[in-house]
Amino acid sequence: DQQVKQNSPSLSVQEGRISILNCDYTNSMFDYFLWYKKYPAEGPTFLISISSIKDKNEDGRFTVFLNKSAKHLSLHIVPSQPGDSAVYFCAATAGEKTSYDKVIFGPGTSLSVIP
Amino acid sequence: DAGVTQSPTHLIKTRGQHVTLRCSPISGHKSVSWYQQVLGQGPQFIFQYYEKEERGRGNFPDRFSARQFPNYSSELNVNALLLGDSALYLCASSWDPVTASGYTFGSGTRLTVV
Repeated sequence: DQQVKQNSPSLSVQEGRISILNCDYTNSMFDYFLWYKKYPAEGPTFLISISSIKDKNEDGRFTVFLNKSAKHLSLHIVPSQPGDSAVYFCAATAGEKTSYDKVIFGPGTSLSVIP
Repeated sequence: DAGVTQSPTHLIKTRGQHVTLRCSPISGHKSVSWYQQVLGQGPQFIFQYYEKEERGRGNFPDRFSARQFPNYSSELNVNALLLGDSALYLCASSWDPVTASGYTFGSGTRLTVV
């Protein structure tokens, strides 16, 4: 049973528009969430995180929104650029400081930004 | 500074064989974790080592084993390979073993079992 779900395997967006990547989780113990970006032939790189004490966290063009009651988070990229084309993984854990076996990854969403 | 390096980058093995994958962490990082990523899924945790001690083990069979050396590099060993072991194996290193955002992944070893 997947505890972290990314129901859209792929997404295509025009350059300059907004990209919205969604993530749902089932475990109510999760209170810290991370997004990773992965280019082909490279390992995932940490992008942005959010704690459950917040409902929004911004870092430049990237904003993550958290809706605890719906157990849903989303990553917004504005404006989207061709270099953002990658697979995006959502991950969740109980606490920012936790052992790595407790970090659960979603299956990923492949984003294509079309010039 | 060199990032996390993994070797080999690609590997083809036959069912029943044994494989050893290697990982060199970022200089100063003492924690190494191993993940398996099957196509269409996110990384699945296999092992974590910190200061040469095993700190965590995921839900993988005993055919999977690992160790960390005094220089903090690590090896992942898989015995009696099955077709289902075909995956991208990722190594991640970090300075401490518990900051979820703190680890850096290598590019992975693509293992194909035929």
